[in-house]
Amino acid sequence: DQQVKQNSPSLSVQEGRISILNCDYTNSMFDYFLWYKKYPAEGPTFLISISSIKDKNEDGRFTVFLNKSAKHLSLHIVPSQPGDSAVYFCAAIQGAQKLVFGQGTRLTINP
Amino acid sequence: DTGVSQDPRHKITKRGQNVTFRCDPISEHNRLYWYRQTLGQGPEFLTYFQNEAQLEKSRLLSDRFSAERPKGSFSTLEIQRTEQGDSAMYLCASSRRGGSSYNEQFFGPGTRLTVL
Repeated sequence: DQQVKQNSPSLSVQEGRISILNCDYTNSMFDYFLWYKKYPAEGPTFLISISSIKDKNEDGRFTVFLNKSAKHLSLHIVPSQPGDSAVYFCAAIQGAQKLVFGQGTRLTINP
Repeated sequence: DTGVSQDPRHKITKRGQNVTFRCDPISEHNRLYWYRQTLGQGPEFLTYFQNEAQLEKSRLLSDRFSAERPKGSFSTLEIQRTEQGDSAMYLCASSRRGGSSYNEQFFGPGTRLTVL
């Protein structure tokens, strides 16, 4: 069963605009959520995270929003830059143990 | 560079051969994780260690797979009698138990395995 889902395989955004990547989860026991960015032939790079006791976390151009009642989180990137083009993975964790990843969303920033 | 390192970066082998991968975590991290990623999917958990103790193994980790972390530092992942379905990117990650960022796992570059 897919406990973490990213329903959009790809997203194309114009440079300078906002990119919004979405993620849904089913396990209400998840207590921490993370976003990773991945370039081809490299390992995932940690981007930003949020605890389940918060509903927003911001770091520079990146903001993660958590809606626990809807079991939904989103990553906002503003303004989007060409270097943001990559595959983005949402991940969830319970009890500081294994990460459960979504399938990823390929973000392309167009000049 | 004090990040997670993995060796080799690429491995091509013939079906039936044994392969071994190595992971060196960030030095102060006491947790080490192995994940596997196939094309078009997110990484899937295989196993993790806290210091030298292997605390959890996924059902994905068949009898042909074994992982060790003998001194609580580097770890090895061995696959015996490789099959074509083992072809994937094998990722290692580490984290530090305790503190404000203990949930954050930092990944190495991965080992890409191709079984012919």
